Amino acid sequence: NAGVMQNPRHLVRRRGQEARLRCSPMKGHSHVYWYRQLPEEGLKFMVYLQKENIIDESGMPKERFSAEFPKEGPSILRIQQVVRGDSAAYFCASSPQGTGANVLTFGAGSRLTVL
Amino acid sequence: AQTVTQSQPEMSVQEAETVTLSCTYDTSESDYYLFWYKQPPSRQMILVIRQEAYKQQNATENRFSVNFQKAAKSFSLKISDSQLGDAAMYFCAYRSNDYKLSFGAGTTVTVRA
Repeated sequence: NAGVMQNPRHLVRRRGQEARLRCSPMKGHSHVYWYRQLPEEGLKFMVYLQKENIIDESGMPKERFSAEFPKEGPSILRIQQVVRGDSAAYFCASSPQGTGANVLTFGAGSRLTVL
Repeated sequence: AQTVTQSQPEMSVQEAETVTLSCTYDTSESDYYLFWYKQPPSRQMILVIRQEAYKQQNATENRFSVNFQKAAKSFSLKISDSQLGDAAMYFCAYRSNDYKLSFGAGTTVTVRA
């Protein structure tokens, strides 16, 4: 049973380009969460999705950032027109349900570097 | 958003000794969950231990145990018989009955051989 799979592990983009980060949840998990970790900081919640639905995107910047979790395929976090401040590690997590009792399983993260 | 505070940016421990990491949090809720995650240099987030607030008994996982003081809103992690593989960043996290995890800023643990 593979864990949460994220790719790419490392991504380098120039300012103004687009970044796409992918996340395949654990088998049997239908809830996906994206977190961002800036250098020397803890993880910050960005967005919570179920299949074909965005449940809560309150932690995501209003512009340039979007997320989806289609019926088929991985969840995608998309950052358009990247800036240097977007450089961070982006973690995806999944759980079988969305309530507090369930432990989130994290992927290994995708490290985005913006030149 | 809930506030989780880890007041120790770095801790160092001798191999085989014990180290305690502190964590405090701010909440007005009575029902919630607390976690300690370990992040080694690989950056993978690994669950170390979790505690349900309604349980008075402190959680234990092998060499890892917590001291949960609900009234004081304190949730410290004790690592006993420290091993070189314990070297990592440790994050305390809080989750209420919704889905959001709030993390502290982390404590870097160094293990001296």
